[in-house]
Amino acid sequence: DVKVTQSSRYLVKRTGEKVFLECVQDMDHENMFWYRQDPGLGLRLIYFSYDVKMKEKGDIPEGYSVSREKKERFSLILESASTNQTSMYLCASSGPQWNEQFFGPGTRLTVL
Amino acid sequence: AQSVSQHNHHVILSEAASLELGCNYSYGGTVNLFWYVQYPGQHLQLLLKYFSGDPLVKGIKGFEAEFIKSKFSFNLRKPSVQWSDTAEYFCAGNFRDDKIIFGKGTRLHILP
Repeated sequence: DVKVTQSSRYLVKRTGEKVFLECVQDMDHENMFWYRQDPGLGLRLIYFSYDVKMKEKGDIPEGYSVSREKKERFSLILESASTNQTSMYLCASSGPQWNEQFFGPGTRLTVL
Repeated sequence: AQSVSQHNHHVILSEAASLELGCNYSYGGTVNLFWYVQYPGQHLQLLLKYFSGDPLVKGIKGFEAEFIKSKFSFNLRKPSVQWSDTAEYFCAGNFRDDKIIFGKGTRLHILP
């Protein structure tokens, strides 16, 4: 079974803090993704990565950055957290092109 | 630009009722389509997928979906719902690359 794990289920941070969200997958997948999920807006892609040290912007990259130093690990960074970044963050991974994505349990981030 | 739209944001049904959730996409080329489900407190998981071949696709838990190319649709169906089907359902499409575009989701509430 594919397993995608995320470092925290719940996180509370203060405005202006730097926030790291970590994601690890154990299936040797090439592709990894970060989404945010908000009620009524579905899933919106923040960043994705096709390979180590490679990243591409998704639909809403502003205020975020990512890091992929190892194939199994994909980190999402909020350089200076703001209240409008309060959300559920989902990590996913997938194999070669056209394959479905496998999701982690999500991190519910609250920025006060 | 490619898009996926779900017609219903919130659906309420009684147990044993039949279910059909609408999904339409906009893209003229080859498409792979998915339905994902998110049960309360759980992570997103794949219900079913269409890549090619038989347009009637069967998934887990008695769900099925029909790909109708002429209507750009991929509606999800279940003949008799159960209380345990209460969840949020997402239609998604993969159009040219490894990104998947998600619809905004449909919250399904089954009354016991």
